[in-house]
Amino acid sequence: GQNIDQPTEMTATEGAIVQINCTYQTSGFNGLFWYQQHAGEAPTFLSYNVLDGLEEKGRFSSFLSRSKGYSYLLLKELQMKDSASYLCAVRRDSNYQLIWGAGTKLIIKP
Amino acid sequence: DTEVTQTPKHLVMGMTNKKSLKCEQHMGHRAMYWYKQKAKKPPELMFVYSYEKLSINESVPSRFSPECPNSSLLNLHLHALQPEDSALYLCASSQEGGHNSPLHFGNGTRLTVT
Repeated sequence: GQNIDQPTEMTATEGAIVQINCTYQTSGFNGLFWYQQHAGEAPTFLSYNVLDGLEEKGRFSSFLSRSKGYSYLLLKELQMKDSASYLCAVRRDSNYQLIWGAGTKLIIKP
Repeated sequence: DTEVTQTPKHLVMGMTNKKSLKCEQHMGHRAMYWYKQKAKKPPELMFVYSYEKLSINESVPSRFSPECPNSSLLNLHLHALQPEDSALYLCASSQEGGHNSPLHFGNGTRLTVT
């Protein structure tokens, strides 16, 4: 079967660093996406990884290890507005379908 | 601001009503999607249009009927819905053929079926 695992909820402190992990077991792999979703709003695209390694975009970085079926999203210099759900999604093949993780709710405390 | 526009933002309808959700994008994307999202759950794919043709229907009940009038517009026609169909309905678009092409989501329509 297809499976993506993320922690359900994480708490971190403003100004700190947090790492959100995502492990996947899918029949096929053609890229992994991270999305941010604030409550009641649409998901917004954060990052894409298809090759092993680290992709950095400002305060956000994403890492992929295909051999381990593992990715993480690293958020630095946390701000209160980073409180949101973070969704990991895997594209299995060349079609349009994504397999979504259940999302990690990140709570930022002052 | 999102580049995918959805209307209406909120919709309340009875089980015998007929209504339509609308979505518009002007990014030149040739793939457009309808997703359904329940609270605290990830989005569930319903339909995909590629070059204005339906390419994926995820076994969605016929009370949901999609339509793609042109490359910028996507509609979802609703008829005889059930209370369990209450959810956030998200439209998204992406570039055709780009494996690394992310989905761009609209802000969604919050649908309540009474």
